[in-house]
Amino acid sequence: AQSVTQLGSHVSVSEGALVLLRCNYSSSVPPYLFWYVQYPNQGLQLLLKYTTGATLVKGINGFEAEFKKSETSFHLTKPSAHMSDAAEYFCAVTPMNRDDKIIFGKGTRLHILP
Amino acid sequence: DGGITQSPKYLFRKEGQNVTLSCEQNLNHDAMYWYRQDPGQGLRLIYYSQIVNDFQKGDIAEGYSVSREKKESFPLTVTSAQKNPTAFYLCASSSGQGAYQPQHFGDGTRLSIL
Repeated sequence: AQSVTQLGSHVSVSEGALVLLRCNYSSSVPPYLFWYVQYPNQGLQLLLKYTTGATLVKGINGFEAEFKKSETSFHLTKPSAHMSDAAEYFCAVTPMNRDDKIIFGKGTRLHILP
Repeated sequence: DGGITQSPKYLFRKEGQNVTLSCEQNLNHDAMYWYRQDPGQGLRLIYYSQIVNDFQKGDIAEGYSVSREKKESFPLTVTSAQKNPTAFYLCASSSGQGAYQPQHFGDGTRLSIL
């Protein structure tokens, strides 16, 4: 069975500072991994995804994430936070090579301090 | 532009009433999904459909019903049996039938009890 744990339901960073949102997963088989972003009263948008190949994945809006199999992690980073990054972020996992449901984490709300 | 349209944006339900949430997509996607979002709970899968005239229960299907008569449409009915329907409901779609395909989301319907 798959599961996703996002550490910290709320994270605050200053504008211009590094953004680090943590995601750990559990999967009995190699996973596909995703990060989605949700702005208030909107649906989710795909930020980036890991399927196979390069473990460092670049996404939209300057975000990137690194798949670390040994740590079962897929943390999301951005070198310099912008006010427009304030939103809720969801990590998600689904097993590779299986037709199974995607499992979402409970989300991390990112606050940007001026 | 292609996308997913959910309507209405806000919906109010009286006690004992069934209400139907609309979801239409023009992305030519085979798979469609309904999620329920509660604060701090992430997304929970209600129903999903991988092909027309077929659908499966998700993790919290009790008190809900769906139909998939057309590829573009996947309406969700919240029945009077759902005792705690107040939530934000998200519809999503993806191409193909594998969960590894990224999901595209509508902007949601917020359901409240009168």
